[in-house]
Amino acid sequence: DAKTTQPTSMDCAEGRAANLPCNHSTISGNEYVYWYRQIHSQGPQYIIHGLKNNETNEMASLIITEDRKSSTLILPHATLRDTAVYYCIVRGSGGSNYKLTFGKGTLLTVNP
Amino acid sequence: NAGVTQTPKFRILKIGQSMTLQCTQDMNHNYMYWYRQDPGMGLKLIYYSVGAGITDKGEVPNGYNVSRSTTEDFPLRLELAAPSQTSVYFCASSYRVTPNTEAFFGQGTRLTVV
Repeated sequence: DAKTTQPTSMDCAEGRAANLPCNHSTISGNEYVYWYRQIHSQGPQYIIHGLKNNETNEMASLIITEDRKSSTLILPHATLRDTAVYYCIVRGSGGSNYKLTFGKGTLLTVNP
Repeated sequence: NAGVTQTPKFRILKIGQSMTLQCTQDMNHNYMYWYRQDPGMGLKLIYYSVGAGITDKGEVPNGYNVSRSTTEDFPLRLELAAPSQTSVYFCASSYRVTPNTEAFFGQGTRLTVV
């Protein structure tokens, strides 16, 4: 699986957009980019995933660069409840695609 | 829809004791997983199962055993608890293991071994 690099922490003001970056320069052509978050030691929660095109759902938007070496998760109007650790994961293919490899993620703190 | 349910939520064990962490899912998912998360760290895969009767080791299987007698249940067994097994344990399930399928997680079991 390709490795990912995320900032350790970020701050965002409530009501503003939160933009969380992720680098995955060794991603291969058939690997998806996933985002999960974990709120205060609860179970990880799926947010969104994508392959090449930008994706949007009710929680967030995912912007993937054309070369697929990096991506950005966008929470359009962050709330205090969005304070969490956000994990960017590249989902493997072939024999290892059963596994989600979680790194340390980015701690997003939304401030009032 | 309950999703993935783990019991107990909290447990304290003495060194050498044994216990079973329970996990059940009601989504008819074939694939189930056990992860552990140490303080300030990401999740590490302990064991996984691709269907009833089939299990395999993940990254950190030592000290644990699993079984999968039904599609719904995937219990994790600790035979001789050690302080190094103090962690938060998460069970997860997914419908498939294609790269385009998300996994759903339970709320975790916080285990302390003293």
